[in-house]
Amino acid sequence: GNSVTQTEGPVTLSEEAFLTINCTYTATGYPSLFWYVQYPGEGLQLLLKATKADDKGSNKGFEATYRKETTSFHLEKGSVQVSDSAVYFCALRGGSNYKLTFGKGTLLTVNP
Amino acid sequence: KAGVTQTPRYLIKTRGQQVTLSCSPISGHRSVSWYQQTPGQGLQFLFEYFSETQRNKGNFPGRFSGRQFSNSRSEMNVSTLELGDSALYLCASSDTSTNEKLFFGSGTQLSVL
Repeated sequence: GNSVTQTEGPVTLSEEAFLTINCTYTATGYPSLFWYVQYPGEGLQLLLKATKADDKGSNKGFEATYRKETTSFHLEKGSVQVSDSAVYFCALRGGSNYKLTFGKGTLLTVNP
Repeated sequence: KAGVTQTPRYLIKTRGQQVTLSCSPISGHRSVSWYQQTPGQGLQFLFEYFSETQRNKGNFPGRFSGRQFSNSRSEMNVSTLELGDSALYLCASSDTSTNEKLFFGSGTQLSVL
């Protein structure tokens, strides 16, 4: 079945540091890939997505590129802010049933 | 437009009881998915409904069930609660049949004592 593996947290950075959260996946066919973010006390929100190989998703300074050859979709941001502190989930949607499979989430804390 | 609304926000039950959680999707959304979130297991898929039909089901025991009404509102029911059912239950809706983008509610925090 489909599965997603991402950086095990927690990840703690100083403001303006570079962020990478790794995400690799296992799926048959050509899945769509997503990053969702969960702020404290809230539900998840879609951060960015990519639907085919070599696509780059971007939003709010975050980027991720769909790499089929390495089955990866790593999340990056050049300069994190305190307000980026949240839990980040990598997810894939594969097959014909449109079900999303999520990774376990990575807690990011950014200190001033 | 109002977001996805889940009620109640918090719930405390004892072992053996049953519970019903409610989810009102964004107006016009016909797909509703349910997830269980725990610190150890992360987000685990429970089931998905589209136009009142269960389209997908996760690997949970039969004690977990759900339904969707004609107005797209959805409920999930857990019978004979166990301590391990303590979790945040998240509902998500989508405006497409392909779940291109999910909109999540804030969840119902269930504690089983």
